[in-house]
Amino acid sequence: ETGVTQTPRHLVMGMTNKKSLKCEQHLGHNAMYWYKQSAKKPLELMFVYNFKEQTENNSVPSRFSPECPNSSHLFLHLHTLQPEDSALYLCASSQATQAGSYEQYFGPGTRLTVT
Amino acid sequence: AQSVAQPEDQVNVAEGNPLTVKCTYSVSGNPYLFWYVQYPNRGLQFLLKYITGDNLVKGSYGFEAEFNKSQTSFHLKKPSALVSDSALYFCAVRDIRDSSASKIIFGSGTRLSIRP
Repeated sequence: ETGVTQTPRHLVMGMTNKKSLKCEQHLGHNAMYWYKQSAKKPLELMFVYNFKEQTENNSVPSRFSPECPNSSHLFLHLHTLQPEDSALYLCASSQATQAGSYEQYFGPGTRLTVT
Repeated sequence: AQSVAQPEDQVNVAEGNPLTVKCTYSVSGNPYLFWYVQYPNRGLQFLLKYITGDNLVKGSYGFEAEFNKSQTSFHLKKPSALVSDSALYFCAVRDIRDSSASKIIFGSGTRLSIRP
């Protein structure tokens, strides 16, 4: 899984902490995504960036704040989270064109536990 | 609105037997269809995709999928299952008329269990 890397792989944080998740893609893609995967729930798309511009925010609470400084890096800043935010957070990247059929490539995820 | 359904939460197959993981979809136009696999504590891995052309698509690890437009299905198949195929499988769809690259909808996943 050297194509898309995520750090840290595991994170335990209290509800008052501030932490950040990092994602880096080495595939030359121009679109990056954050997903939330909770047990027994469908994969939830959180944010999408195309060419460093945020193009989608699926009603994500403001305690999650994304940042995309360039097309290879994506961050998810976390603050004052709730226990129900505990989940696997997946980053993905793809080529993004209007006619594109390009599949997404995923990182290994960050397992987040909010205590 | 587009959607994708995986009607089985779990599929159990004996090693060496053929396996099928079902997927049906709904889009307004023509679909792009994808299958992904997720092993424990890992991200999703791309297996195969259908764009156009031959209805039978071959992918990684010996998997294949058959696009059936009349039944709006894209079932994943493998002629002979391996214990190492045990994982969570996701079907996904995108409407080719949708200009947003982000509009890929994932199914809820099917857990495949292969017994020795």
